[in-house]
Amino acid sequence: KQEVTQIPAALSVPEGENLVLNCSFTDSAIYNLQWFRQDPGKGLTSLLLIQSSQREQTSGRLNASLDKSSGRSTLYIAASQPGDSATYLCAERAGGTSYGKLTFGQGTILTVHP
Amino acid sequence: SQTIHQWPATLVQPVGSPLSLECTVEGTSNPNLYWYRQAAGRGLQLLFYSVGIGQISSEVPQNLSASRPQDRQFILSSKKLLLSDSGFYLCAWSLVRDYEQYFGPGTRLTVT
Repeated sequence: KQEVTQIPAALSVPEGENLVLNCSFTDSAIYNLQWFRQDPGKGLTSLLLIQSSQREQTSGRLNASLDKSSGRSTLYIAASQPGDSATYLCAERAGGTSYGKLTFGQGTILTVHP
Repeated sequence: SQTIHQWPATLVQPVGSPLSLECTVEGTSNPNLYWYRQAAGRGLQLLFYSVGIGQISSEVPQNLSASRPQDRQFILSSKKLLLSDSGFYLCAWSLVRDYEQYFGPGTRLTVT
């Protein structure tokens, strides 16, 4: 059974700090991994998709890494801003499925205070 | 560009009443479609997925059903709602290319 774990469950940082969110997965046959952001009461916004053949992906102040051998992914946020406050979810997509099923972690609630 | 719509945005229904939630996607063809439920303390759970018109697969046994009457329309239904059906329902779509999923704004369902 695939499991995805995110640590920490919650994180509070001052504005301007660089931070790392962690995601662990049990499936070594990972196809790709997707990071999302969710604002309260809203849907999910896709941030980054990293393929199993890649080691990292970057978009603006965000950088996601993937280490298949250790079953870990990290999301690095540089120079955090209050607008980055949200719940961040990682989701693993296993290989061998024909429809792209995602297994989600429980999320990390990030608060960036001014 | 592609957009995904869900309605209604919020819904309050009594136990035992029927349910119909609708999801439509614009700007793409033959997408994979997904229904998820997000309940407090339980994370996101995949309920149904569809790879084509009339093709529905269920991930978990439950009180709900799904239908795909048109290529870009996905409907979540129930004949009789239970209290445990309360939650935030999210629709998503993806292409077979890389399966990156894009989510709709969600429907908040409260069963009273």
